[in-house]
Amino acid sequence: NAGVMQNPRHLVRRRGQEARLRCSPMKGHSHVYWYRQLPEEGLKFMVYLQKENIIDESGMPKERFSAEFPKEGPSILRIQQVVRGDSAAYFCASSPQRQANTEAFFGQGTRLTVV
Amino acid sequence: TQLLEQSPQFLSIQEGENLTVYCNSSSVFSSLQWYRQEPGEGPVLLVTVVTGGEVKKLKRLTFQFGDARKDSSLHITAAQPGDTGLYLCAGGDMRFGAGTRLTVKP
Repeated sequence: NAGVMQNPRHLVRRRGQEARLRCSPMKGHSHVYWYRQLPEEGLKFMVYLQKENIIDESGMPKERFSAEFPKEGPSILRIQQVVRGDSAAYFCASSPQRQANTEAFFGQGTRLTVV
Repeated sequence: TQLLEQSPQFLSIQEGENLTVYCNSSSVFSSLQWYRQEPGEGPVLLVTVVTGGEVKKLKRLTFQFGDARKDSSLHITAAQPGDTGLYLCAGGDMRFGAGTRLTVKP
């Protein structure tokens, strides 16, 4: 059973370009969470999605950021018109259900560098 | 959103020492999870505590959930360099504290 797969592991974008980060959850998992992590800091919640639905996007910046989790395929975090401040590690986690004590599994992250 | 505060923020100790890190909130949680994150990797779940007063042990790691389910602690006995990492707690809403960055020196 493959774990949570994120790709690419490293992504370099010039200011103004678009960044697309992909997260394939574990088999059978229909819940995905995205987080942003700056160096030496903790995980900042961005968005929580179920298949085809955004459940909670309270941590997502209002502009330039969007997320989706289609019926088929991976979850996508999209950052449009990237700026240097978007440089960070972005992690996703998946779980089979949204219950308080359900174990969530994390991917290895995508490290975005904006130059 | 239920806020989680972790302390200390940084901790550097010698191999063989014991340590305790804390995860506190003013809110009641139905559960708390502890994760460890190593450099360049994603967090890995260590334990989930659900019942107030619950104590769980994982080898040299002891996790406790407060009676009121507002706080939790992680105690490591005889720390080893392999314990080095960022220790994170999270509530059932999958929001995380800022973490405790532990360094165990050989």
